[in-house]
This record gives sequence, structure tokens and C-alpha cells, in this order.
Amino acid sequence: EAQVTQNPRYLITVTGKKLTVTCSQNMNHEYMSWYRQDPGLGLRQIYYSMNVEVTDKGDVPEGYKVSRKEKRNFPLILESPSPNQTSLYFCASSTTGVEQYFGPGTRLTVT
Amino acid sequence: EDQVTQSPEALRLQEGESSSLNCSYTVSGLRGLFWYRQDPGKGPEFLFTLYSAGEEKEKERLKATLTKKESFLHITAPKPEDSATYLCAVYSGGYQKVTFGTGTKLQVIP
Repeated sequence: EAQVTQNPRYLITVTGKKLTVTCSQNMNHEYMSWYRQDPGLGLRQIYYSMNVEVTDKGDVPEGYKVSRKEKRNFPLILESPSPNQTSLYFCASSTTGVEQYFGPGTRLTVT
Repeated sequence: EDQVTQSPEALRLQEGESSSLNCSYTVSGLRGLFWYRQDPGKGPEFLFTLYSAGEEKEKERLKATLTKKESFLHITAPKPEDSATYLCAVYSGGYQKVTFGTGTKLQVIP
């Protein structure tokens, strides 16, 4: 089954404790992207990647890091999480960036 | 800076009562406009891509249209299972950079 998986699905952590949210797709897509979704603000793009070792900033990259060492994986790293990074995070993949397949989401709470 | 505005924020319809959702946009060089459906607790699900003014796409009870300033998602004779949040997004300028609207939450009552 074609899918995008994210782990963990739910995470509660404390300020400053480094964390990684994993994203994996099994569709051999070149394009992958991370979004955060907040009430009243909608989905905002954090980072995207056109292919292995090719990444670029979206609209809200501050406080986040990404890497793309393998085509199927695109982890999101929060080096020092803060409460304003509490949000619902989605990973997405696509062959071209047009029709994106989204993962199930990761709900992160930073206290 | 690209901007996408969706209206109304919420819409409540009786089953069978047709209506339209609006997505207006301001972008520098539109390359494509997308519609997605999002159910509670799930990731968005792709519906349509429109590329140029005058283009239309249909899927079951949904029809998307595009002008130079806005897009409409027409819902004909909706059913309760059409209840969801509908998201509009554009991509323009920088390659693969996508801007989403805040969505219209649709509720269809039996």
C-alpha cells in the first residue's frame, strides 16, 4: 500500500530536549515536505526537499532542521524545542510537488 | 508574498443543498492551484490541481473552477460524507513552494 508514515504520532516533551520526528514514504517520490498546522493559520511549509541532499526553506523554518540522506526518509529535527513549536505536523511526498500525499500527522506538545 | 484566503470559514448545509466554497489568491506567477480535503485527525487528501484560468475539474459531487483571481469548489447535492475541511493551496515562483489557505469547514446535515 502506498503511504507516508510518521513517527511518533503523539509526543509530549519539555523545552530544550532535542527530538526527531521521522517521515518515510514507499512511493519512490523525489519531493518531500514538512508542514505545521495551527488553528487560524492553516498549513505552513517548514522545509521541502527536491531529492536526496537537496533541501530548502519554506515559510517557517526557524527552529527546525531537516536532512535527506535517503530518498524514502525525511526526518524533522527540533534541536531545542520551545512551547511555540507545539503544533500538528504533517509530512508529505510527491513525484513533482503537485499532487502531495500526506502522512497521518504528529501532534507535538512542548511544555 | 503569496496569499490565499478561503471563505466562508465554516459552512453548514442540508443534505442536497448545493453551494460553493471560495479561494482567492494573490501570487507572483501562479503555477498551480490545489484543492485538498481534510477529515478530522487525518492528513489532507488531494482532490484537484488547476493550472490556468478557465480550467475546470470534476470528481463525483465536486467541481473546481479557476479564474485569474480565485477558485471555486462547487458542491452539488452534498451528502453527510462530504463533511470535512476543504483546503486550497497555490504554488508559484520558487520551485515547489506551496502556500495553503486556512480552509473551509463544511458540515452537511442529513
